[in-house]
Amino acid sequence: DAGVTQSPTHLIKTRGQQVTLRCSPKSGHDTVSWYQQALGQGPQFIFQYYEEEERQRGNFPDRFSGHQFPNYSSELNVNALLLGDSALYLCASSLVPSGTQYFGPGTRLLVL
Amino acid sequence: DQQVKQNSPSLSVQEGRISILNCDYTNSMFDYFLWYKKYPAEGPTFLISISSIKDKNEDGRFTVFLNKSAKHLSLHIVPSQPGDSAVYFCAASAANSGNTPLVFGKGTRLSVIA
Repeated sequence: DAGVTQSPTHLIKTRGQQVTLRCSPKSGHDTVSWYQQALGQGPQFIFQYYEEEERQRGNFPDRFSGHQFPNYSSELNVNALLLGDSALYLCASSLVPSGTQYFGPGTRLLVL
Repeated sequence: DQQVKQNSPSLSVQEGRISILNCDYTNSMFDYFLWYKKYPAEGPTFLISISSIKDKNEDGRFTVFLNKSAKHLSLHIVPSQPGDSAVYFCAASAANSGNTPLVFGKGTRLSVIA
C-alpha cells in the first residue's frame, strides 16, 4: 500500500520565480492538506483540498495557490518567490469524515 | 501567538529508561491531540493520538496522557530505545474529522543514548 508521495524531493529557485510541488495521497484518501515547515519550527497549515476545492486556508498570502485533481492528487503553486519561502513543504492526506493525517516525505525548497 | 507549545527543545535519555515529552496548549477549542515522530529527510510519522474525552491512550511502548484542566499532554516512551531518537511533534486540532487543520508545536529532539 503506497503511502503519501511528493515530488520533487529538492528544488532550488531564485527570488521572483514560480514553483509547483506535487503530491499523491495515500491510497483510499480523498483529502490533501499542505503544510510549510521552516527551519526550527513545526509544520504550519497552508490550505486543504477536498472534492477538488480549497476548503480551508491558513494564514498564507495569495501567492500560495493549489489544485486537486479528480484522482485526488494535488499541486501547490507559489508565485513571486521570496527568500522566506525557503522551507520544507509537506503534504498530508486523510479520509473525511474521520481519519488521521498521514504525511509525505516533503519537498525541500531553497530560494536564492 | 503559539497555540501549541513544546518548551523543551531537546531531551536526552538513557536506553531502557522512560522518556517523557511534554506539550501545552492554549486554545480551548482543541479536542483532539496527536504525536508525530520525524526522522531527518523524512516526513512526520503518526505515532499516537488522544481524544479529549479520554485522559490516557496506550499503544505498546507509547502512552499519551491528557490533562484538560491544565491544557497539558505528555508522551511517555517506556522503555526508550536508540531507534526512538528523532524529533517529536505535538499537534492539536478542533476535531478528528480528517479535514481539520493540525496546529503543531516546534518539536522536541529526543536522543536515546545506548
